[in-house]
Amino acid sequence: DQQVKQNSPSLSVQEGRISILNCDYTNSMFDYFLWYKKYPAEGPTFLISISSIKDKNEDGRFTVFLNKSAKHLSLHIVPSQPGDSAVYFCAANGFFAAGNKLTFGGGTRVLVKP
Amino acid sequence: DSGVTQTPKHLITATGQRVTLRCSPRSGDLSVYWYQQSLDQGLQFLIQYYNGEERAKGNILERFSAQQFPDLHSELNLSSLELGDSALYFCASSVGVGTGAQYFGPGTRLLVL
Repeated sequence: DQQVKQNSPSLSVQEGRISILNCDYTNSMFDYFLWYKKYPAEGPTFLISISSIKDKNEDGRFTVFLNKSAKHLSLHIVPSQPGDSAVYFCAANGFFAAGNKLTFGGGTRVLVKP
Repeated sequence: DSGVTQTPKHLITATGQRVTLRCSPRSGDLSVYWYQQSLDQGLQFLIQYYNGEERAKGNILERFSAQQFPDLHSELNLSSLELGDSALYFCASSVGVGTGAQYFGPGTRLLVL
């Protein structure tokens, strides 16, 4: 049961253009959503997050949009840079038992071409 | 650098053996989480500790156990290892027990032969 899905396994974009990554979720109990970037042989690096009470959050070149009615979020990277080439994971956080946990999507591999 | 440290970086062992993975959270963080990343299952939550107390348990096998010590570092113990336990094991930490950002360590790559 995949509660968080990233339907595009890969994305190729030209340097300077916009990268748009998409993520869908099914569990309406999730209340916080995050994007992580991961390079090979490293741990996921936190990029940006959004609370379920908001529909947009911006941090520099990164903007996350949340559409609760569609259970969909997206990450926009503008402008894309070669150093952005990595695997991006969408994650959803929600209370679970007496704590909380992240549920991850399968990832989207982004390649930014110079 | 997230501030979360994990040791060892790599571990090679044989089936049936037992290993211990160690994690030190970011300074000030009270929650520690363990995740497993395997090729076929992606990143999966295993267990969460908050200030020494187990708070949430995910798809963690009975052969696996964890604890968080008074100095807040955590250990994940994997026993009776099987080939399928080969994976990347990540530790993450956060300030509290509520939802929010978790910061990940570099991971321990476990290879069971």
